[in-house]
Amino acid sequence: QSALTQPRSVSGSPGQSVTISCTGTRSDVGGYDRVSWYQQAPGAAPKLMIYGVNKRPSGVPDRFSGSKSGNTASLTISGLQAEDEADYYCCSHAGRFFVFGTGTTVTV
Amino acid sequence: VQLVQSGAEVRRPGASVILSCKTSGYTFTTYLIHWVRQAPGQGFEWMGLINPNDGGTLYAQHLQGRVTMTKDTPTSTVYMDLESLTFEDTAVYYCLRERSADYWFDPWGQGTQVIVSS
Repeated sequence: QSALTQPRSVSGSPGQSVTISCTGTRSDVGGYDRVSWYQQAPGAAPKLMIYGVNKRPSGVPDRFSGSKSGNTASLTISGLQAEDEADYYCCSHAGRFFVFGTGTTVTV
Repeated sequence: VQLVQSGAEVRRPGASVILSCKTSGYTFTTYLIHWVRQAPGQGFEWMGLINPNDGGTLYAQHLQGRVTMTKDTPTSTVYMDLESLTFEDTAVYYCLRERSADYWFDPWGQGTQVIVSS
């Protein structure tokens, strides 16, 4: 199972919006609405930001949103803040297994 | 809800390592526990899962035969045994919780560093 493809890095100024793509196949991202996104600060364990493609857990700011089109899922951060600077990983269920994205560093 | 993992390990190539993940704050048997790892500077690799309710397991195909996941219900602890270690097994290993058929993970353990070195 190959890793999902994410851009290595994206950047934006405070208040701007950035979008991170996560491209897979119809065996994973395209086949199920089972994409989640995780934020990993340096030296820390990842934190769930989005699940079920576009659902936000309680406590996650509403400037984080998710979507999917075909084999590509996306995470958008609107109104970028300094505290959003971190690595972001997508993850998709793929039948019986799970596959993660290659990771994207967001720089504010 | 907490997942607290055991401390860092250093092993020689060919050796094995057993990591633990002690859970608390919820009913142990009602959530799956997954293991993933992150090699230095890399993304995450899913390794497998265990169902604490019945001990059922599912492993990533490329780790079949080298990984074993077990549970101890009285202590609400899950174990991951990885054998025949190579340098490529050097990584931070995380345990994660999933409510069955939710397909997302929350929370994650703090991670355990495993270094394979001669």
